[in-house]
Amino acid sequence: EAQVTQNPRYLITVTGKKLTVTCSQNMNHEYMSWYRQDPGLGLRQIYYSMNVEVTDKGDVPEGYKVSRKEKRNFPLILESPSPNQTSLYFCASSLSWGAGNTIYFGEGSWLTVV
Amino acid sequence: TQLLEQSPQFLSIQEGENLTVYCNSSSVFSSLQWYRQEPGEGPVLLVTVVTGGEVKKLKRLTFQFGDARKDSSLHITAAQPGDTGLYLCAGDYGNKLVFGAGTILRVKS
Repeated sequence: EAQVTQNPRYLITVTGKKLTVTCSQNMNHEYMSWYRQDPGLGLRQIYYSMNVEVTDKGDVPEGYKVSRKEKRNFPLILESPSPNQTSLYFCASSLSWGAGNTIYFGEGSWLTVV
Repeated sequence: TQLLEQSPQFLSIQEGENLTVYCNSSSVFSSLQWYRQEPGEGPVLLVTVVTGGEVKKLKRLTFQFGDARKDSSLHITAAQPGDTGLYLCAGDYGNKLVFGAGTILRVKS
């Protein structure tokens, strides 16, 4: 089954404790991205990757890091989480970038930083 | 300020009614997409519109892209409780997908 898998789905952590949210897709997609969703703001892009070893900042990259060492994985790293990073996070992928490509989203990761 | 403004933010209607959701911007988009998101799940793509003036239909849903490719609308005919959810528009802006804040639709039976 074609899917984007995120882990963990739910996490409560403390300020400053490094954490990683993993994302894996089994569709051989080149394009992957991370979004955060907050009430009244919709989804905002954090980082995206056009292909392996190619990553770029989205609209809200501060406080986050990513890596794309292999095509299927695109982990999101919070080096020193803060309460304003409490949010619902989505990983997404598509075959490539462009209007003809369907973007597939993971089920989301609820992160609470206390 | 959102690049894409969606309206209304909330909509609560009775089963059988018609409704329209709007997505507006001052920027031109090469394409625009509509998604539906249910609680606990990621957004699911409904449609992509590419050509100015384009109209696409998906059963009771009609999507229109403005002639200038700056706005779009989603019209639902005879809404059903199963249409309840969060509807999001998103525009292709360079290498990024920019989302509106969403419209929460509730259809009461």
